Amino acid sequence: DAMVIQNPRYQVTQFGKPVTLSCSQTLNHNVMYWYQQKSSQAPKLLFHYYDKDFNNEADTPDNFQSRRPNTSFCFLDIRSPGLGDAAMYLCATSIRGAGANVLTFGAGSRLTVL
Amino acid sequence: GESVGLHLPTLSVQEGDNSIINCAYSNSASDYFIWYKQESGKGPQFIIDIRSNMDKRQGQRVTVLLNKTVKHLSLQIAATQPGDSAVYFCAEKPGANSKLTFGKGITLSVRP
Repeated sequence: DAMVIQNPRYQVTQFGKPVTLSCSQTLNHNVMYWYQQKSSQAPKLLFHYYDKDFNNEADTPDNFQSRRPNTSFCFLDIRSPGLGDAAMYLCATSIRGAGANVLTFGAGSRLTVL
Repeated sequence: GESVGLHLPTLSVQEGDNSIINCAYSNSASDYFIWYKQESGKGPQFIIDIRSNMDKRQGQRVTVLLNKTVKHLSLQIAATQPGDSAVYFCAEKPGANSKLTFGKGITLSVRP
């Protein structure tokens, strides 16, 4: 089945130790998103790629970076995780264009910072 | 069934009853709305969507109602089942290429 796959599902890191979360998709969608979600709050958009065009949200800290080497893969890099970065990180994909607005989410990667 | 606004984070219903989850959106320019269901430890799943040129849309056991006059969206779940227990998010989008904005989640708890 076509889907969005996130790895790892659970990541434990130490304060300040870099972390990379990955997302892959078989939907061939041209847009990929990274959201941060804390404690059943609404997902908060960090950034998204439209093809290779990177779009950062104004309030996303510099500590968060992203890479999209090809259509299928997107990575979230947290350079120096703080305790406040502990959260569920959700990857989503969509097709950009009129009439296609639904985001398909992965299962998420839960980050714990010790 | 019971209805609750977004300022009340939890809705508890009896299995078999109908559930109504309400959402007030803020952007009068929003022309597309989605309801997502998120089970514990999982990513949000698409339930149903509606465009602003409609006021009602039905799916399997779910109905979404849109009242643009008062900027109100609701999700109705018929014959609520234990598997419907989850956090529900409404989301709005003011245009095809604009950002999807999520509302605060509401937890639906189904009593056996």
